[in-house]
Order: sequence, then structure tokens, then C-alpha cells
Amino acid sequence: DAGITQSPRHKVTETGTPVTLRCHQTENHRYMYWYRQDPGHGLRLIHYSYGVKDTDKGEVSDGYSVSRSKTEDFLLTLESATSSQTSVYFCAISESDRGNEQYFGPGTRLTVT
Amino acid sequence: SQQGEEDPQALSIQEGENATMNCSYKTSINNLQWYRQNSGRGLVHLILIRSNEREKHSGRLRVTLDTSKKSSSLLITASRAADTASYFCATGKETSGSRLTFGEGTQLTVNP
Repeated sequence: DAGITQSPRHKVTETGTPVTLRCHQTENHRYMYWYRQDPGHGLRLIHYSYGVKDTDKGEVSDGYSVSRSKTEDFLLTLESATSSQTSVYFCAISESDRGNEQYFGPGTRLTVT
Repeated sequence: SQQGEEDPQALSIQEGENATMNCSYKTSINNLQWYRQNSGRGLVHLILIRSNEREKHSGRLRVTLDTSKKSSSLLITASRAADTASYFCATGKETSGSRLTFGEGTQLTVNP
């Protein structure tokens, strides 16, 4: 998985609780992304980062926030988890902003009960 | 809404046969990529084709791009059971920097 790890790999949490997912890379790539994958929707971009402390919203950002304090770590936070945020979350990285491939982490399966 | 739409949604073939998957998209792009996802795993990049290219090969993979029809196809020749996976197309646009928009994928099953 190209030097990308995600933690935790599985999590079950209750509605209303905060949750933070971590993505860690050892490739020193500038760009990092958080996606969610749901049946019938493919992968949808939540937030992405184009450098330390530089982030922007994706297609489905409501209810999510991100932070990137150093190159290797990109955190995704659900401030108050809802059942609609039950999903598989993938982190990805890419080297540049000009048509480069993305490398994906192994995913985090989050269940909100 | 998704930029790319794959067709068919599911495909089942015998080992040794060729598999063809199609992707259509709606707006102009500067590149189109194909990814594979094995069950329970992350996506793996297969091939990238730029908007000024018409065809690209990588091993048993052949990708075509028709920008006039806003469509791409992925051909896997001489398929193997290990090719069983979901295949996604993803499009990149000039105005989107590094961001990609993924389709919903084609589930390919190769029967031994």
C-alpha cells in the first residue's frame, strides 16, 4: 500500500461521539485525500490537502473536518458521528497536482450505531 | 453526481477470455485513470491516459480514450482468476488540480 497506513482499521462508535481517523504516509508526497466509499456511490472525496496546513473541501465535506500539521499525517475528524457516516474511509496520496496517480491506504471501516 | 459511469456494473467471464469495461464522463478532462480494488482492500492504480492520447497499453491491459464521445474502455486480455476485482475509472480535470472524480465501478468475476 505504498507506505500509507490508516488507523484504526475498524471502529464502532455511537451516534453523537467524536471520531478521528488518522492517515500516515512515509512517501513525503505533498497531496493527501480522504474519501468515503459506499455501495452505489463509488468513492467520493471528503477533503484534501495540498500542503501542510493547506486543506480544502471535497464533494461531501459536511460533518467532517481535517487537519494536517505535518507532511506525513492527515487527520479526518467527525465532530459528532451520525449513522449516515457509517462507511469505509480511504486515504490517498499523490506526488503532484498534474495528472499523477493516487496511492491508497488499506481503509478504515467505521460503523456508527 | 459522479463524473464517470462504468458499464457494465457487473461482468462474469471464464478464465482466458477478454474483459472489456467502459467508462463515460460528462465534462472535459485532462486525464483518465483506471484503478483496481480487490475485496476489502484499497484501490491500486493501473493505468493513466491523457486527453491527447488515444490508446495506451500496459501488459495485458489496453485502454482507449475517445474525447469526442467522452468515453474510455479498459480491455483485459487473457483474463485470470486473480483479475477478479472491482475496476474504477477516475477523471482529472484541468481546473481540479490533483483531484479525481471516481465512477461507481465494474465488478469483474473471472471464473476458473
